[in-house]
Amino acid sequence: EPEVTQTPSHQVTQMGQEVILRCVPISNHLYFYWYRQILGQKVEFLVSFYNNEISEKSEIFDDQFSVERPDGSNFTLKIRSTKLEDSAMYFCASRGQGPDTQYFGPGTRLTVL
Amino acid sequence: AQTVTQSQPEMSVQEAETVTLSCTYDTSESDYYLFWYKQPPSRQMILVIRQEAYKQQNATENRFSVNFQKAAKSFSLKISDSQLGDAAMYFCAYRSAGSGYALNFGKGTSLLVTP
Repeated sequence: EPEVTQTPSHQVTQMGQEVILRCVPISNHLYFYWYRQILGQKVEFLVSFYNNEISEKSEIFDDQFSVERPDGSNFTLKIRSTKLEDSAMYFCASRGQGPDTQYFGPGTRLTVL
Repeated sequence: AQTVTQSQPEMSVQEAETVTLSCTYDTSESDYYLFWYKQPPSRQMILVIRQEAYKQQNATENRFSVNFQKAAKSFSLKISDSQLGDAAMYFCAYRSAGSGYALNFGKGTSLLVTP
């Protein structure tokens, strides 16, 4: 069964450094999403991406964040200058044109020191 | 913005028993989707069940079923014949019917299954 994959599974970085989180969505999906979950809290929407552009973003997704689909398979989330409060689990999800269900990747645990 | 409320931070059930997790939501829309996701200790988000608001029939997936009350804006999850592997965090989520719309999650209910 096709699945969403994410790399790395755990990323440790110093405050102020740039990080890139990578996702490979399910191959025939058209909509892509990033969510984050701070430990012990609910899952929060960051951004959705369709047809090579952002379709929706939350207040969390400020100028420090960017997304890109550099090729036909990868979908990346970049945080330009990480802050302590960016420490969280980051989930990528994708959805096809017909079915509305979003399928989640296993997540990347980001730790900012 | 739509609000999803899960009023039970923790629930406990004995193996083989039935448990119901509650979820309410606030929306002015008539067409939308509702989901329950399971998050085990691995923190992977796993879809349990989904419901389209335009369907009156409650969704069922094996031991999992929902009680969707559109007028009351209620969407509870019933787990029958509970198993140890059902222990996890359960999140209720709402999505507007338009394309590309994000999932809006509740705060979750932690389900403990005891032998």
